[in-house]
Amino acid sequence: LAKTTQPISMDSYEGQEVNITCSHNNIATNDYITWYQQFPSQGPRFIIQGYKTKVTNEVASLFIPADRKSSTLSLPRVSLSDTAVYYCLVGTQGGNNRKLIWGLGTSLAVNP
Amino acid sequence: DSGVTQTPKHLITATGQRVTLRCSPRSGDLSVYWYQQSLDQGLQFLIQYYNGEERAKGNILERFSAQQFPDLHSELNLSSLELGDSALYFCASSAGQGNTEAFFGQGTRLTVV
Repeated sequence: LAKTTQPISMDSYEGQEVNITCSHNNIATNDYITWYQQFPSQGPRFIIQGYKTKVTNEVASLFIPADRKSSTLSLPRVSLSDTAVYYCLVGTQGGNNRKLIWGLGTSLAVNP
Repeated sequence: DSGVTQTPKHLITATGQRVTLRCSPRSGDLSVYWYQQSLDQGLQFLIQYYNGEERAKGNILERFSAQQFPDLHSELNLSSLELGDSALYFCASSAGQGNTEAFFGQGTRLTVV
């Protein structure tokens, strides 16, 4: 059964780069990796998605090694407002046996 | 604001009761997803509808059911409620049927007493 594993919590300081790694050893060929951010009392918000190698957008980068058994979300120069819970999601894009497997989330605390 | 609307925001009910949660997706989105979030289990995917048809099923209990109506809004029905059903229930929507990029509502906090 597919499973995603992430660190429970991380601490950082303003201006630092933060890397959060998710382990997904049983990832299937059709699976994509997606990261979400969640603030208290709000729904998760999409950050970035990738299939392999590296993806970058205006807020983050996603690194996926060749074996795709893990992925790393990289947040450059974090600020206090990046304090949130970050979720890794492994999911199929289509097909008849669609699955969406979420990690338990990594609580990131950014300190001044 | 994600554009996804969920009602009610809070719901308190007794064990054994039945409740209905409602979701209006973003304009133009055809897929609706339902999730349960509890402290010990994290985000659990329950079910997905696409353009009125059930598209995928996750860890949804038999006591729970959902549907998506012709106007694309969706309802999640929870029956024979137990204390353990207390959780945040999120609805999300996406444009297509296979996207993993989805837009979440603010959630309905259900408390079963």
